Amino acid sequence: EAGVTQSPTHLIKTRGQQATLRCSPISGHTSVYWYQQALGLGLQFLLWYDEGEERNRGNFPPRFSGRQFPNYSSELNVNALELEDSALYLCASSLVPGQGHNEQFFGPGTRLTVL
Amino acid sequence: KQEVTQIPAALSVPEGENLVLNCSFTDSAIYNLQWFRQDPGKGLTSLLLIQSSQREQTSGRLNASLDKSSGRSTLYIAASQPGDSATYLCAVSDSWGKLQFGAGTQVVVTP
Repeated sequence: EAGVTQSPTHLIKTRGQQATLRCSPISGHTSVYWYQQALGLGLQFLLWYDEGEERNRGNFPPRFSGRQFPNYSSELNVNALELEDSALYLCASSLVPGQGHNEQFFGPGTRLTVL
Repeated sequence: KQEVTQIPAALSVPEGENLVLNCSFTDSAIYNLQWFRQDPGKGLTSLLLIQSSQREQTSGRLNASLDKSSGRSTLYIAASQPGDSATYLCAVSDSWGKLQFGAGTQVVVTP
């Protein structure tokens, strides 16, 4: 069974540009979570999508947004990129949404570098 | 606000020794706790998940305990191997599955 996949592996942008990151969950999983791992800040929750809807977001500005498609894959968009957006962005999926007992499985991440 | 702390931040042991990694959290109202492994520049590999109603979970050489009332979890890795070198992260889940992570323990197992 294929795991969570993310693309691209690496992304280099300049300040002010927009970045789009993609995630495909494990087959049968309906929930997708996005996390940011910036140097020195640890892993922080960004967004949660389930059944095509944004269910929760972390403490990030509105220029971080995304969507979930009918096939449950997801996109994370970061507008007006800033240098501090440079980080590893991790996507996770889970089988049972919103019940807290579900195990999350992570993808390999997208390394975003903002110059 | 939930805070998750992992001690120690780094650990170096010779091959064959047992590893003991600690995780503490401030709010005991968690739904589960997950232990992950992360290799440099890579994603997270789930090691063990302990439901809030459980006290312990085992998988091979790994054993994790959970004491919800005192806000603590411990991951034991028996008979460490150089391949166990990685950063180990614990995370607690709220009612909606959002994970709150500790900063991790960086482990080096020397041959």
